[in-house]
Amino acid sequence: RKEVEQDPGPFNVPEGATVAFNCTYSNSASQSFFWYRQDCRKEPKLLMSVYSSGNEDGRFTAQLNRASQYISLLIRDSKLSDSATYLCVVEGAGNKLTFGGGTRVLVKP
Amino acid sequence: SAVISQKPSRDICQRGTSLTIQCQVDSQVTMMFWYRQQPGQSLTLIATANQGSEATYESGFVIDKFPISRPNLTFSTLTVSNMSPEDSSIYLCSVPLGGQTFFGQGTRLTVV
Repeated sequence: RKEVEQDPGPFNVPEGATVAFNCTYSNSASQSFFWYRQDCRKEPKLLMSVYSSGNEDGRFTAQLNRASQYISLLIRDSKLSDSATYLCVVEGAGNKLTFGGGTRVLVKP
Repeated sequence: SAVISQKPSRDICQRGTSLTIQCQVDSQVTMMFWYRQQPGQSLTLIATANQGSEATYESGFVIDKFPISRPNLTFSTLTVSNMSPEDSSIYLCSVPLGGQTFFGQGTRLTVV
């Protein structure tokens, strides 16, 4: 079993719609969780950290469910520029990051 | 934040040769990481490079194949040695800073 698993997609989303997807992680001792965004042929960039209480940043909402060991990302009012691969990232000891395989999102007009 | 300059951005290399990738950070950082992203895959950690000590390699990666240097707190190199087509990947350096991890722009390596 992979340490961090994601639905690879793609999620084809009409512009303006809402899309949500999850990520599961296997290490119950993991403490820090993030969503990164990676555009084609670019390096990953931090989208948002995921806090235990859940957090929102504009149109993006992240949730953490420790009991079930999953995190989620919801994008409201999708824009064409939201098309990207979203990487679920879990931080372990020593600042090491473990990446999920990524979820592709394609927002279409 | 951190600005990371990674070179080269891309290269096409002959099998059996070696390529050294450089990462320069605009801040002093204790830890630097090297990742590999194979085509269509996510990132896999190769090794952790701390200044003043030997790099720590993840399972499946060895120093002879991926020697790393970390001469000071702002610079590191990763060498991909004796390359084969299976080494064709994007290689990225990263640094944790201020609760975030920043990545270099990546080196797209093609081995022919």
